[in-house]
Amino acid sequence: EIVLTQSPGTLSVSPGESATLSCRASQRLGSSYLAWYQQKPGQAPKLLLYGASYRATGIPDRFSGSGSGTDFTLTISRLEPEDFAVYFCQQYGSSLPWTFGQGTKVEIK
Amino acid sequence: QVQLQESGPGLVRPSETLSLTCSVSGGSITNFYWNWIRQSPGKELEWIGYVFSTGVTHYNPSFESRVTISLDTSKNQFSLKLTSVSAADTAVYFCARAQLEPTQRWFDPWGPGALVTVSS
Repeated sequence: EIVLTQSPGTLSVSPGESATLSCRASQRLGSSYLAWYQQKPGQAPKLLLYGASYRATGIPDRFSGSGSGTDFTLTISRLEPEDFAVYFCQQYGSSLPWTFGQGTKVEIK
Repeated sequence: QVQLQESGPGLVRPSETLSLTCSVSGGSITNFYWNWIRQSPGKELEWIGYVFSTGVTHYNPSFESRVTISLDTSKNQFSLKLTSVSAADTAVYFCARAQLEPTQRWFDPWGPGALVTVSS
C-alpha cells in the first residue's frame, strides 16, 4: 500500500497570501498519478488537480500543483476567503488500494 | 452533468450489516469505476472498493473480508454492504466515479455523503 504523508497538518495563512502544501508518497508514483481535493465542512471532497498539475474544470488558476516521483506540492496563491478548507492528496495509480493523505487544514491566520 | 446520491439507514446496530445505495443520474453507468469511500470522525479518507460497469470488483484489503459492492445497471445504482460492523465503522460514506482510462482514475464526481452511525 502506498502511504501518502501530508504536511503540515495545519497551515495558518492570511487572506491574500500564498500557501504551500506538501504530499509525500512512500513509493514512486508512475506518471504522476496524484490528485488534490478540497473539502469544506459538511461537503464531499472536490477535485482540484489531477496528474499532479492539471486543474480540473472550473478551478481557478491560483491553484497550482507540481512534483513527480514521491514529492508533490499544491500551491494556493492569493488566498481567497473560500479557499480556507482541508486539502487531501490521493494516488490513483495501478497500485491498489488507492489511498489518501491525512489532509492539511488551511485556516485563517 | 452526472450526479451521485447516497441513501440508506443512518443507524446500524453493532454486528449487523451496513447497506447503502448510490443512485447515478445524468449519465450512463457504463465504462466507469464506481467507488465507495468513507471518512471517519477523525477525518481520514479510506477507499473501500469499486465495482466496474461489467460487475468486476476490487476491494481494499482492510475491508475485503466484510465488504460487497454490487451494481444494478437497470436502476443506474450501485450498492455497498459491510458486514459485522462495529463503532469503528461509524463514518460518512461517499460514492464516487472514476474513469475507465488508467491515467484518469481520480474521483469525480462525488455524492454528498451519508452519515452512518453504528450504535446499539
